Amino acid sequence: QSALTQPASVSGSPGQSITISCTGTSSDVGGYNYVSWYQQHPGKAPKLMIYDVSNRPSGVSNRFSGSKSGNTASLTISGLQAEDEADYYCSSYTSSSFVVFGGGTKLTVL
Amino acid sequence: QITLKESGPTLVKPTQTLTLTCTFSGFSLSTSGVGVGWIRQPPGKALEWLALIYWDDDKRYSPSLKSRLTITKDTSKNQVVLTMTNMDPVDTATYYCAHRACSSTSCYLDYWGQGTLVTVSS
Repeated sequence: QSALTQPASVSGSPGQSITISCTGTSSDVGGYNYVSWYQQHPGKAPKLMIYDVSNRPSGVSNRFSGSKSGNTASLTISGLQAEDEADYYCSSYTSSSFVVFGGGTKLTVL
Repeated sequence: QITLKESGPTLVKPTQTLTLTCTFSGFSLSTSGVGVGWIRQPPGKALEWLALIYWDDDKRYSPSLKSRLTITKDTSKNQVVLTMTNMDPVDTATYYCAHRACSSTSCYLDYWGQGTLVTVSS
């Protein structure tokens, strides 16, 4: 099962907005709304940030939003803050009844 | 409050079998829709899904690792056990367990354990 494709890194200045893409196929991202996004700070466990493509769990800032078009899902972070600097992973259900993660994107806040 | 914690050996030798235990609280694995998954992360690399067990004892495995993995649950002890056979140095990673929840339209991992680093070396 191939990993979903994410950019290796993105960067932005405080207050700016950034978008991280997550590209799959019609057998995963494009075929289901089972897209979720996770934030991981160094040495920490991943934290759920988005589920159902665009829903935020309780307690997650509304600066984080998700969307999907075709086989590509996206995570947008608006009003960048220093604490947003972390690795971000997308995840999707697949037609083989399993789950696949993206390769991860390192977000740098300049 | 949902919590999960992984336990097991920190060092295993090549060819040995790894056994990891996930002990959880705050939910029951006999509740419809609930699942517990295992995910690993080699140092400096991406997350990799390994296995998932559902409340009804249905099990799913990574296609690439299926022949080496076994996932079981002990509902009375609130534990999920993952075994991985024939360990290799490339299996060195932090291993996480996580609670799987579902909305009306999808499922996701909403609570994670702290992870446990397993090193494979002779």
